[in-house]
This record gives sequence, C-alpha cells and structure tokens, in this order.
Amino acid sequence: AQTVTQSQPEMSVQEAETVTLSCTYDTSESDYYLFWYKQPPSRQMILVIRQEAYKQQNATENRFSVNFQKAAKSFSLKISDSQLGDAAMYFCAIDGNQFYFGTGTSLTVIP
Amino acid sequence: EPEVTQTPSHQVTQMGQEVILRCVPISNHLYFYWYRQILGQKVEFLVSFYNNEISEKSEIFDDQFSVERPDGSNFTLKIRSTKLEDSAMYFCASHRVRLRGEQYFGPGTRLTVT
Repeated sequence: AQTVTQSQPEMSVQEAETVTLSCTYDTSESDYYLFWYKQPPSRQMILVIRQEAYKQQNATENRFSVNFQKAAKSFSLKISDSQLGDAAMYFCAIDGNQFYFGTGTSLTVIP
Repeated sequence: EPEVTQTPSHQVTQMGQEVILRCVPISNHLYFYWYRQILGQKVEFLVSFYNNEISEKSEIFDDQFSVERPDGSNFTLKIRSTKLEDSAMYFCASHRVRLRGEQYFGPGTRLTVT
C-alpha cells in the first residue's frame, strides 16, 4: 500500500519570499517516482517537478526545488521568490505501483 | 507541444442518465488513466488501461464505470447510471513508457449530476 500525507492544508507566503510545502509518503516499492503538481483555479493539473527515487540529487526547476529525504520518506517543495501566479493547490504524488496523490496544500501569495 | 485533450469541459446530466467522457491522449503514449476529484478533495485514481485492457482499477471503479479505446485516438470513460455523488472533475492522463514516470494530465471534465 502507498500513502501520501500533506500535513499543511493551507500555507501563505509574501511575494518574493520563500515557502516550503511538506510531504511525507510511504511505499513498499523500491523504485518509484515522486511529483509535485500545481492546480490553479482552472483545475488543470500542471507538473511542477519530479524526482526519481534512485537519484540522490534533489531535483530543481527554476524557482522550484525539492528536499528529498529517502530514509525519512520526505519530499518537500521549496518555492523561491514567490510570485502571485504561484497561488494554487499543490499536490504531492507518488508513482510506485499506482499513482497516489496527497490531499493538497492551498498556497496563498500575499502581494 | 503535444497535450492530452478532454471533451466536454463541462457536462451536466440528470441522475440515472448515462454519460461518456472523452479523452484524446498524446499520440505515442501507451498507458491511459482516469482520475476523479470531488470538489475540495484530493485526486483519486480510478483506472489504468494498457494494451486494450484494464491493468488496474480502484474500489471506486465499480460496475457503473467502464472504459474503452474505441479507435486509435480516443479513450472514453462511461458512467452507466449517474448518481449525485459522481459529481466531480474527471481527469484523463497518459503515459509514454513502461517505466514509471510523469503522467500528462488533460484539462479535466467537470461532471455535474442533478
């Protein structure tokens, strides 16, 4: 069985500041992928960043980076220089034997 | 850039009616998925489809649901007799390779059952 836990239902950040969204997971798979998806009010699911579990190096995509702690089964997302357009629901997800999403974190960006 | 498309964007139907939600996955993708997101809740896996058959399904995917790939491009989700609790966003996704990795999501179909 797989689980994904996002313990922060809501977060807020000042524009241009940095925010970290938490995610922990559990899986019995040895090979898996982890993702952060962004869902703006349009409700489209947009991939933000992905991490292969076998890679030790943390993934980065421009202002988005992850802190992947495999032993702790933790996969947090850091957004640097937050912009108004970053405001959305953020879902952590794991693809092991099936694709599971967390319950999401609603991010508000304060101008 | 290729993308997954879904039609319609919004479907309103009466309880008990049948609905078919349509998806066109990315053309060279081989694995197809349907997910459901009830308003304000997380995205839930419904079913995966590969080589013209269901490869996995969740407990949500009961006998009321069926999937089909009627031709080389479309991938459909049918709900036979809709219930109020079927109201949700339905996302189609597709996946290119056997190795696990990124799924490309469509924009979703919002289903409202009245």
